[in-house]
Amino acid sequence: NAGVTQTPKFQVLKTGQSMTLQCAQDMNHNSMYWYRQDPGMGLRLIYYSASEGTTDKGEVPNGYNVSRLNKREFSLRLESAAPSQTSVYFCASSPETVYGYTFGSGTRLTVV
Amino acid sequence: GIQVEQSPPDLILQEGANSTLRCNFSDSVNNLQWFHQNPWGQLINLFYIPSGTKQNGRLSATTVATERYSLLYISSSQTTDSGVYFCAGPDAGNNRKLIWGLGTSLAVNP
Repeated sequence: NAGVTQTPKFQVLKTGQSMTLQCAQDMNHNSMYWYRQDPGMGLRLIYYSASEGTTDKGEVPNGYNVSRLNKREFSLRLESAAPSQTSVYFCASSPETVYGYTFGSGTRLTVV
Repeated sequence: GIQVEQSPPDLILQEGANSTLRCNFSDSVNNLQWFHQNPWGQLINLFYIPSGTKQNGRLSATTVATERYSLLYISSSQTTDSGVYFCAGPDAGNNRKLIWGLGTSLAVNP
């Protein structure tokens, strides 16, 4: 049982490059989330998807776009990466509401 | 929205010691959770504890919702307990958004 799978685990980008972080869950969860974690800032919600076909902004959505491709997959796209987007990104899923979170193992992104 | 404050920010223990971590909320919550992030970055859900007390092995948690705080107890700590402990509660009016504390960083030395 894989749970929540994120790819890639590590990535280095140059300023202005674009990339997509992939996330897939196999627990039949309805809700999925993207967070970023920065030293001293805790976890901050970027975007979430309450159900297939819906997405909503979190605390820090600027510079990001998301796609809920189907019930299993929720991707995060950086169209033009900036050094301020250097962070560790976590995908998570939950059955419905905020109860029962399962996290992926994270993606460490560096933008130079 | 709610504010989530955790204390202490850092804690160092010798193996075998007990500890108490605290989480305060600015507004009442009904869906408090505790998480642990190990030194390799993996986050796991420890407790869903809107009120009362729950125990899981050497860890237990108590939430007093009327006074807007929760406590996480670690007894007979082990080096594997090291990492960061987070508490989180739902955003007012949107139970799909969690608001996170900044965490307590715990180091358990052998």
